[in-house]
Amino acid sequence: GAGVSQSPSNKVTEKGKDVELRCDPISGHTALYWYRQSLGQGLEFLIYFQGNSAPDKSGLPSDRFSAERTGGSVSTLTIQRTQQEDSAVYLCASSLWGGANTGELFFGEGSRLTVL
Amino acid sequence: GENVEQHPSTLSVQEGDSAVIKCTYSDSASNYFPWYKQELGKGPQLIIDIRSNVGEKKDQRIAVTLNKTAKHFSLHITETQPEDSAVYFCAATNSGYSTLTFGKGTMLLVSP
Repeated sequence: GAGVSQSPSNKVTEKGKDVELRCDPISGHTALYWYRQSLGQGLEFLIYFQGNSAPDKSGLPSDRFSAERTGGSVSTLTIQRTQQEDSAVYLCASSLWGGANTGELFFGEGSRLTVL
Repeated sequence: GENVEQHPSTLSVQEGDSAVIKCTYSDSASNYFPWYKQELGKGPQLIIDIRSNVGEKKDQRIAVTLNKTAKHFSLHITETQPEDSAVYFCAATNSGYSTLTFGKGTMLLVSP
């Protein structure tokens, strides 16, 4: 389909391992966002990309978290040395233009990460 | 930074009743206030939004009101139907307008 695609949909890992989560935004969308959804905690902003650059990465919780976007398209969120508190659903969203007040964010279905 | 508070956390209504969800925000520079609906296992989806130069907006059974002076906005759903059952999130832009800050969500349950 033409929506935002995320993979894997589910990931179970052991504490201390690294994980990579992938987001494929809607074609032509210049802005890309990563959010984290924990039970009862709503949607927590992680990082915002405009093209390949990240003008706002203020939400990344620690230096174990990093993200990149290449070719103005696919983005990868990497979590190193995973901890149990990293367990959550990681949501990616894209929008046609940059700036959260310029229109609709289109969300993927998320990647559910469980750290044992 | 922006802080968005949302109430109630859960709301149960009978089919046909109205439902109201309220949010407050902290940053007076915020200028865009969307509402998202999230069904089980899906990503959130925009259902209605309002900008700071407007006090009210309607779209069929849903409406949003904004009071900039008091820094609060509300979602109103009339004639609720079982398919309205979902988690609803309010949001507001941060001062740099680069991101949305979301409330913690309201689980709406509509009983037939």
